[in-house]
Amino acid sequence: GENVEQHPSTLSVQEGDSAVIKCTYSDSASNYFPWYKQELGKRPQLIIDIRSNVGEKKDQRIAVTLNKTAKHFSLHITETQPEDSAVYFCAASPGAGNMLTFGGGTRLMVKP
Amino acid sequence: ETGVTQTPRHLVMGMTNKKSLKCEQHLGHNAMYWYKQSAKKPLELMFVYNFKEQTENNSVPSRFSPECPNSSHLFLHLHTLQPEDSALYLCASSPSLSGNTIYFGEGSWLTVV
Repeated sequence: GENVEQHPSTLSVQEGDSAVIKCTYSDSASNYFPWYKQELGKRPQLIIDIRSNVGEKKDQRIAVTLNKTAKHFSLHITETQPEDSAVYFCAASPGAGNMLTFGGGTRLMVKP
Repeated sequence: ETGVTQTPRHLVMGMTNKKSLKCEQHLGHNAMYWYKQSAKKPLELMFVYNFKEQTENNSVPSRFSPECPNSSHLFLHLHTLQPEDSALYLCASSPSLSGNTIYFGEGSWLTVV
């Protein structure tokens, strides 16, 4: 089955800096890669996703890149703000009846 | 609002109690999930239902018993739990099992004493 590894497990940045979280996956058939943000005491919420037919997707300060050859994808957050502090989860799905497999999460702390 | 509601939000139970967690989704989805979230395993899949049929049981102990009476409702029946079962239990739903975003409920915080 699919295996998703996520790094780093914790990340501390200064407000205004960029943050990058990386994930690798094992199943070359995976074609859907969402990212979830979970604030303290709240539910995980989808913030951005990408499908395997594109290499990059942006939404304001967040972007996701996908390298299918290397089987890794990354979340980029620019101009970080304290409200970006949360746990971020990546996930991958091979599709065709297969479910999302989540990475282990990254705790991002943005220091004011 | 998420479209996936869970009750109760907080539950404290003794090891000999029987309780149930309830989940309801208003999104017209066909797949529903139970996840366990703890410090040790951030998002651990427990059960999956697709069109009311269980498709996945991720080696979950029998003291957790799921029930899916229809595509909109999912229950997790709890019996003789252990303190290490204390965690956040998240329900989620998705349109189908294939390559779709899943939508989480707010979770039920369970403490076993």
